Amino acid sequence: QKEVEQDPGPLSVPEGAIVSLNCTYSNSAFQYFMWYRQYSRKGPELLMYTYSSGNKEDGRFTAQVDKSSKYISLFIRDSQPSDSATYLCAMSEIYNQGGKLIFGQGTELSVKP
Amino acid sequence: DADVTQTPRNRITKTGKRIMLECSQTKGHDRMYWYRQDPGLGLRLIYYSFDVKDINKGEISDGYSVSRQAQAKFSLSLESAIPNQTALYFCATSAGGETDTQYFGPGTRLTVL
Repeated sequence: QKEVEQDPGPLSVPEGAIVSLNCTYSNSAFQYFMWYRQYSRKGPELLMYTYSSGNKEDGRFTAQVDKSSKYISLFIRDSQPSDSATYLCAMSEIYNQGGKLIFGQGTELSVKP
Repeated sequence: DADVTQTPRNRITKTGKRIMLECSQTKGHDRMYWYRQDPGLGLRLIYYSFDVKDINKGEISDGYSVSRQAQAKFSLSLESAIPNQTALYFCATSAGGETDTQYFGPGTRLTVL
């Protein structure tokens, strides 16, 4: 079993829809949780960062962490065609995690106009 | 100009050939990483370096070697390429700190025939 599991999709939604992207993990020591966005033919870029449990909101994006269920989510409100990309969750046990970041497989999202 | 550059962007080679992928960064970061990305497997860490004299193996280092020529340069070598090393390769850098955000290059698409 992989440490981090993410539904690869692809996920296709109409413009304006609410999108829910999810990851589950098995390592209860993970404390730092990230979402990266990767556009086609580009490298990933950090979108959201959360420490421990709880919610974090940034514009149309909300990241949720439920450590009791070992489950993290990224919600996108009022989705736009420009949100079409692959979204990767990533997580780490330790502060200043360096080379200990574990990535999910990535979910490919397409937002149709 | 891009902060993290990778050369070449695309490479086709034959089994048994030695290949070098190069990464340069202008962000002034001490930490550099090499990942490979495969469909369904996400990003997996090959090697990472916290400074010029500190190099560490990642999850999948077999068949690869690295060289940290300077703070700004980190090269990945495939000593004798094999077809299952066909993948998208990313270099990343980070500065440490609480989030230790990794900044990725644009990737090198390598095909081994």
